[in-house]
Amino acid sequence: DAGITQSPRHKVTETGTPVTLRCHQTENHRYMYWYRQDPGHGLRLIHYSYGVKDTDKGEVSDGYSVSRSKTEDFLLTLESATSSQTSVYFCAIRDSGRGGELFFGEGSRLTVL
Amino acid sequence: GQQVMQIPQYQHVQEGEDFTTYCNSSTTLSNIQWYKQRPGGHPVFLIQLVKSGEVKKQKRLTFQFGEAKKNSSLHITATQTTDVGTYFCAGGPTGAQKLVFGQGTRLTINP
Repeated sequence: DAGITQSPRHKVTETGTPVTLRCHQTENHRYMYWYRQDPGHGLRLIHYSYGVKDTDKGEVSDGYSVSRSKTEDFLLTLESATSSQTSVYFCAIRDSGRGGELFFGEGSRLTVL
Repeated sequence: GQQVMQIPQYQHVQEGEDFTTYCNSSTTLSNIQWYKQRPGGHPVFLIQLVKSGEVKKQKRLTFQFGEAKKNSSLHITATQTTDVGTYFCAGGPTGAQKLVFGQGTRLTINP
């Protein structure tokens, strides 16, 4: 498996609190992505990064921000968590020179009460 | 924006029966990728199709990319319990930095 880890793997928090999820890779891949997975919606892209300090929005970016200060780390922040952000969050990495397939992390299950 | 629709959303079969999931894009795709997610797991890359009309096989799995590069299918022959999971297609236009995923087809199997 690709060297990609997510933390925390599980988190329960209350509405209005800030939450940060971390994605760490050891593959030196250029592209990193944050998806959320909800029943009936598949995988929806939140934000992605194409290099250090280079990020862009996905289809469901409202309420989320990201940062990438170094190649190996991509952080997803919920400034003020809401119950609608209860989901499973997956980080993925992609090496653009290898055909473009995504390698996913194990996922982070977030519950907002 | 680009949309990728996948049907059916759920499919339950008896072990040994065949299974097919279909993927349709609102725009022409540069390539189509397929992923499998086991229950409780994370999506794992299966295959990528690039050429118009391309057909690829992996043992009992057959993947097709439509002539217009707007649709694709995954067919499993004689399903086994190890095939249980959700199958996703994903694609993007030429040069896209991001993939759009279909909603997935969840396959369950009665042994």
